[in-house]
Amino acid sequence: DQQVKQNSPSLSVQEGRISILNCDYTNSMFDYFLWYKKYPAEGPTFLISISSIKDKNEDGRFTVFLNKSAKHLSLHIVPSQPGDSAVYFCAASQGAQKLVFGQGTRLTINP
Amino acid sequence: KAGVTQTPRYLIKTRGQQVTLSCSPISGHRSVSWYQQTPGQGLQFLFEYFSETQRNKGNFPGRFSGRQFSNSRSEMNVSTLELGDSALYLCASSLQVMNTEAFFGQGTRLTVV
Repeated sequence: DQQVKQNSPSLSVQEGRISILNCDYTNSMFDYFLWYKKYPAEGPTFLISISSIKDKNEDGRFTVFLNKSAKHLSLHIVPSQPGDSAVYFCAASQGAQKLVFGQGTRLTINP
Repeated sequence: KAGVTQTPRYLIKTRGQQVTLSCSPISGHRSVSWYQQTPGQGLQFLFEYFSETQRNKGNFPGRFSGRQFSNSRSEMNVSTLELGDSALYLCASSLQVMNTEAFFGQGTRLTVV
């Protein structure tokens, strides 16, 4: 049972535009959500997180939105840059339990 | 401060063999988790160790096992390898339990032939 789903395997965006990556989850008990970025031949690196008590968290060009009623979160990257091309994973956890990851979305920023 | 170190980086094994992968967490981190990454499946959780005790376990067969030493270094072992075990195995460490930002190593690419 895939508790965290990223339904778009890939996304292509023009440089300078907004990139929106989406993630859905099924477990309403999740209380902490994270986004990781992964380049080829490297491990995932932490990008941004949000607690379930918030609906928005912003860090520079990256903003994560959480819609608890829809069990949906999204990552917005504005403006998109070529270095943002990577695979993005969303993850969720409940209390002190394990991180559950989505399948990942490959983002390509076109010049 | 050194990051998470995984060895070896690449490994080729034959079906039926066993393999041991190693992970050295960031200094001071006590929690180590292991993940399997395959195309289309994302990161599948294998297990988490904290202070030498397994705290969480994913839905993998008993051929997959792990342990953590007193210095927080961790090993995972896969016995009786199958072709489907070919994957990138990632180790992540965090200061406390695995509900905060985890720092990942570069992974070990295992190929079973």
